[in-house]
Amino acid sequence: DAGVIQSPRHEVTEMGQEVTLRCKPISGHNSLFWYRQTMMRGLELLIYFNNNVPIDDSGMPEDRFSAKMPNASFSTLKIQPSEPRDSAVYFCASSPTALPIHGYTFGSGTRLTVV
Amino acid sequence: ILNVEQSPQSLHVQEGDSTNFTCSFPSSNFYALHWYRWETAKSPEALFVMTLNGDEKKKGRISATLNTKEGYSYLYIKGSQPEDSATYLCAQSHSGAGSYQLTFGKGTKLSVIP
Repeated sequence: DAGVIQSPRHEVTEMGQEVTLRCKPISGHNSLFWYRQTMMRGLELLIYFNNNVPIDDSGMPEDRFSAKMPNASFSTLKIQPSEPRDSAVYFCASSPTALPIHGYTFGSGTRLTVV
Repeated sequence: ILNVEQSPQSLHVQEGDSTNFTCSFPSSNFYALHWYRWETAKSPEALFVMTLNGDEKKKGRISATLNTKEGYSYLYIKGSQPEDSATYLCAQSHSGAGSYQLTFGKGTKLSVIP
């Protein structure tokens, strides 16, 4: 398995533009997580999907952020409109079960810069 | 302790030195403690998962211990090598509501000087 695949690796965009981050989880994993990494706050959970259904989106900062998981092999995180304070590394992770006893497998992240 | 806290925030050691750092976490509703190793521009990589008080895990020169009663875990690196340079993250999962979630510390950034 190629692991969790995220794209793009880097994204530079202007304030106000729409940004879409993509994630392909490991086949057979039924839990998918989007995290945001910043210097100030570390890794923060944005949203959690189980069997393609959003279970907990309490970490999504505001209405400008939205996430979808149309099928078991694909998820997107969208920011519209983007702002400079959204600049961060966004990680997608997947897990075989809802209980992370075996931990998550992370993607390589998308480094977003909003100028 | 309400959050997962790691110390020190950063650390520089000479090649060959042994080192250790700390993860503190809320001991109530504890389920599991995870350690990850994160190299710049790569994915965080799982090192250990520990669930029981007194657990010790080892992988090569890296080992970890767990004290769930007092809410801390130590990560030890014996004979540090330049390739050990990375940020080491710990994360806690708890039982009950939100048990799917890992709560991460901010990490300890280790730099091993050749």
